[in-house]
Amino acid sequence: QVQLQQWGAGLLKPSETLSLSCSVYGGSFIHDSWSWIRQPPGKGLEWIGEINHTGYTKYNPSLESRVTMSLDTSKNQFSLKVTSVTAADTAVYYCARLSRYSIDYWGQGTLVTVSS
Amino acid sequence: EIVLTQSPGTLSLSPGERATLSCRASQSVRSNYFAWYQQKPGQTPRLLIYGTSNRATGIPDRFSGSGSGTDFSLTISRLEPEDFAVYYCQLYGDSPLYTFGQGTKLEIK
Repeated sequence: QVQLQQWGAGLLKPSETLSLSCSVYGGSFIHDSWSWIRQPPGKGLEWIGEINHTGYTKYNPSLESRVTMSLDTSKNQFSLKVTSVTAADTAVYYCARLSRYSIDYWGQGTLVTVSS
Repeated sequence: EIVLTQSPGTLSLSPGERATLSCRASQSVRSNYFAWYQQKPGQTPRLLIYGTSNRATGIPDRFSGSGSGTDFSLTISRLEPEDFAVYYCQLYGDSPLYTFGQGTKLEIK
């Protein structure tokens, strides 16, 4: 059984940097790929990016200029940074595991609100 | 970029009825790249179906997926009260790698 536990600041001001982390328990961290997905309040899901065990990343082109994902294999953790946030970045952010071209395990979600 | 369009936007049915949710891709896609999720209010999405027709671990057999090319569907054979939720389709593609439909809300009639 895989469990993902995420944390990070929930309230940001415009232009600040969003920073979230996710710890993985169970499974095989070094053999899997990991992702961040977000969901604005009352809206649908948006994929942010993916990172695999080698540190290779792939981002959504709509966010690529502001997003950085990283991982720490010694701690079974991966992280997300989004720079220069605006109100449009207000959303619940989920960390997740990728498997068979789908997303099989999700973190509990973190509501990030951007407001002055 | 491939766009996924789900229909209907809202589906009103009663427990015990059969539900069919549709998802159309803007171009033909590989079947093993297609998935469905269920999300209840205030909860995390849950993987139901991967590879178009494979049930994820622990998913009841009243849920089934089918489709090919551009048209995919999720069928719930007999609705249980806990099935009323929002359903999303998802595609693994080129750029972005993962795309979601806008969702179908399945509500109690």
